[in-house]
Amino acid sequence: EIVLTQSPTTMAASPGEKVTITCRASSSVSYMHWYQQKPGASPKPWIYDTSKLASGVPNRFSGSGSGTSYSLTISSMETEDTATYYCQQWSSNSLTFGSGTKLEIK
Amino acid sequence: QVQLKETGPGLVQPTQTLSITCTVSGFSLTSYYMQWVRQTPGKGLEWMGFIRSGGSTEYNSEFKSRLSISRDTSKNQVFLKMNSLKTEDTGVYYCARDSPLRRSLFDYWGQGVMVTVSS
Repeated sequence: EIVLTQSPTTMAASPGEKVTITCRASSSVSYMHWYQQKPGASPKPWIYDTSKLASGVPNRFSGSGSGTSYSLTISSMETEDTATYYCQQWSSNSLTFGSGTKLEIK
Repeated sequence: QVQLKETGPGLVQPTQTLSITCTVSGFSLTSYYMQWVRQTPGKGLEWMGFIRSGGSTEYNSEFKSRLSISRDTSKNQVFLKMNSLKTEDTGVYYCARDSPLRRSLFDYWGQGVMVTVSS
């Protein structure tokens, strides 16, 4: 099973600040998906196939990476971006999620 | 529009069997894979397994011995059954649809059902 390690676990950013969340895989994977989850709600697809934005996601979000290192970046933090973000991969008939990064506004 | 809704017991006793139904609308179960994911305080989001559009299943090895996923296409329902429950199985259980854009991307999720395992 591929383990996904996200960092940081928790962070706070000021409005307008650039934010980067990292997801490291224990073995190389071909792509990464990202989800956004707000308290009391189900996860929503956010970025898929490493760098494609899901429907309705603002273009201040971007994704990148390859192999064992992937990242989600917000170019300019906004209040509505407060949420927990999870990375997710599927390979070798096993699907795993990262443990999440809780992003708060300063 | 696409909708998924889980229904199940709020409380289950240890060693008992959990049964959850996911009722879908807006699409056909014969065209999409359907997934089960849970979120627990101890392990966060965990993939449990899926049922393919053709009806075959695949399970996370973590649950394989005690998990069963099935469906009734005439009722637009997918079922999760897990036996030998432990307190660590307490959490929110979600059904989700596999996206047509990319296998293993979950594009629609149910609201989730909270399950507490306790005597």
